[in-house]
Amino acid sequence: GAVVSQHPSWVICKSGTSVKIECRSLDFQATTMFWYRQFPKQSLMLMATSNEGSKATYEQGVEKDKFLINHASLTLSTLTVTSAHPEDSSFYICSAVDRGARAYGYTFGSGTRLTVV
Amino acid sequence: AQRVTQPEKLLSVFKGAPVELKCNYSYSGSPELFWYVQYSRQRLQLLLRHISRESIKGFTADLNKGETSFHLKKPFAQEEDSAMYYCALSVAGGNKLVFGAGTILRVKS
Repeated sequence: GAVVSQHPSWVICKSGTSVKIECRSLDFQATTMFWYRQFPKQSLMLMATSNEGSKATYEQGVEKDKFLINHASLTLSTLTVTSAHPEDSSFYICSAVDRGARAYGYTFGSGTRLTVV
Repeated sequence: AQRVTQPEKLLSVFKGAPVELKCNYSYSGSPELFWYVQYSRQRLQLLLRHISRESIKGFTADLNKGETSFHLKKPFAQEEDSAMYYCALSVAGGNKLVFGAGTILRVKS
């Protein structure tokens, strides 16, 4: 089945630095990928929809300049948390849908635990 | 606005007991609903989707448009069913998933 690889699985960074998270579809092409944020013991909150070759669509309340999304190819989307602060510490998850096999629904990455110190 | 409600944060049952995880949705369009499961230390994975009308690991879910519900059921719970379960609604032509808050299922021996 479809596999989404997310890297790194965890990262610790200093306040004020930037962190890049990668999301790759390994065996299918994903024109659209999604980025979620999950707080402890809470649900997934959609941050943005990443569209290959065009600008990402951000959900209300999500800062575009803070969370930069790039979807340069059909198999890779990146999320960069710029000038990170402790409140950005969270679990970030990406997902993609294999349009060729949509019966399987959305496939999720394993997530990235970001800790800003 | 689209919304998915899972009223129970935690559901604890004994092994062999029936399980029902509740999910209600609010959506003006034609809904497409999913159940996702997240086992401890694992990624979120699809359990089932309503249009497939399938049974996975003994779980079933029926879409009830009149009650706007998509409850997940299993007649006999097993310990390995313990996990976090999310109900999700696909909107915007399948370009977005809206998740419920999730329900932790604990199956006790």
